[in-house]
Amino acid sequence: DQQVKQNSPSLSVQEGRISILNCDYTNSMFDYFLWYKKYPAEGPTFLISISSIKDKNEDGRFTVFLNKSAKHLSLHIVPSQPGDSAVYFCAASGGGADGLTFGKGTHLIIQP
Amino acid sequence: EADIYQTPRYLVIGTGKKITLECSQTMGHDKMYWYQQDPGMELHLIHYSYGVNSTEKGDLSSESTVSRIRTEHFPLTLESARPSHTSQYLCASSVFGLGTYEQYFGPGTRLTVT
Repeated sequence: DQQVKQNSPSLSVQEGRISILNCDYTNSMFDYFLWYKKYPAEGPTFLISISSIKDKNEDGRFTVFLNKSAKHLSLHIVPSQPGDSAVYFCAASGGGADGLTFGKGTHLIIQP
Repeated sequence: EADIYQTPRYLVIGTGKKITLECSQTMGHDKMYWYQQDPGMELHLIHYSYGVNSTEKGDLSSESTVSRIRTEHFPLTLESARPSHTSQYLCASSVFGLGTYEQYFGPGTRLTVT
């Protein structure tokens, strides 16, 4: 029973355009959400997070939006750059779990 | 520079061997974690620790064991490796407190058991 779902295994976006990565969750007790970026053969790198009491958090080119009623969050990357090509993981904290609960990831490919 | 280290990065080993995966962090974090990830899948928590002499099992059952004798060091041991243990193992650490904090990951160890 997956509690964090990333339904798009891959996403292709042109350089300079907006990349939107989506994530849905089922556990209403999650209180903190994070996005990680992962290159092959490396560990995940923390990108941006959002508390459940907020609906938006921005850091440079990255913005995360949270819709609690829909149990949905999204990561926006504007403008997309070639170095953004990687696997992006959505993760959630809380809900009775001791660590983070991860989705399966979305492979973002930035086309030149 | 504060960081989190894992060795070895890659390990190919035969069935029945004992192995220890090393993890060290220089950030002074109290809480440390081990995750297991298969290709194309989510990361699953297998062990965590709140601090020295604290070890707990995670959500995913694992035959591995861990120890926490020093704050900065959190090794994972498999007494007898099997092909089903083939996976990537990721170590992470975070500040321990009342709030929720980001976890910082090491580069991982890719383990192959033949």
